[in-house]
Amino acid sequence: AQRVTQPEKLLSVFKGAPVELKCNYSYSGSPELFWYVQYSRQRLQLLLRHISRESIKGFTADLNKGETSFHLKKPFAQEEDSAMYYCALSPPYSSASKIIFGSGTRLSIRP
Amino acid sequence: EAQVTQNPRYLITVTGKKLTVTCSQNMNHEYMSWYRQDPGLGLRQIYYSMNVEVTDKGDVPEGYKVSRKEKRNFPLILESPSPNQTSLYFCASMRRPGEDSGRVNEQFFGPGTRLTVL
Repeated sequence: AQRVTQPEKLLSVFKGAPVELKCNYSYSGSPELFWYVQYSRQRLQLLLRHISRESIKGFTADLNKGETSFHLKKPFAQEEDSAMYYCALSPPYSSASKIIFGSGTRLSIRP
Repeated sequence: EAQVTQNPRYLITVTGKKLTVTCSQNMNHEYMSWYRQDPGLGLRQIYYSMNVEVTDKGDVPEGYKVSRKEKRNFPLILESPSPNQTSLYFCASMRRPGEDSGRVNEQFFGPGTRLTVL
């Protein structure tokens, strides 16, 4: 079955501590993986994508095809990182299937 | 400005009174989708559309209808709203999943519609 799993509904860490938001996926093929973020009272927006291999706001995410994971990491959390984070999967070219979102993880950074 | 708009932004209604939430995008995107967001349940897909006149059920389609007569519009219709449909609704659009192999497809989200059904 095609699925994106975010095992943690809530993750609370202290400012300056490392952060890792877990995402595992189940998909037959080579999908594209994303992380979306929703700050308080704002719309969802793309944070980063696996294909770009970029670092946005200090966050990185590495696609591990062997473990089918796409965990989001940041070495030193900041208070402004508090938000809802969604991992998402997009089917590869020529597929007609839908985008799949995980259930989300609320990240709370304590001062 | 490239954007996804939703109307209304806030709506309080009563059980059984039909309502429509509009969604419009100006980016010529083929793919559009509706989600509802509930505390503890995250983002759940209601319906999606791959193109004009092509719609399909998401994870929680019961109690909702959609139509895609034009590329830019994707209204969400609640024929007989019930209190369990009280939620925050998001519309999103994307060029097309998997299009332009090698490029990433980003979903653009609307600002959300907060619906309360009494």
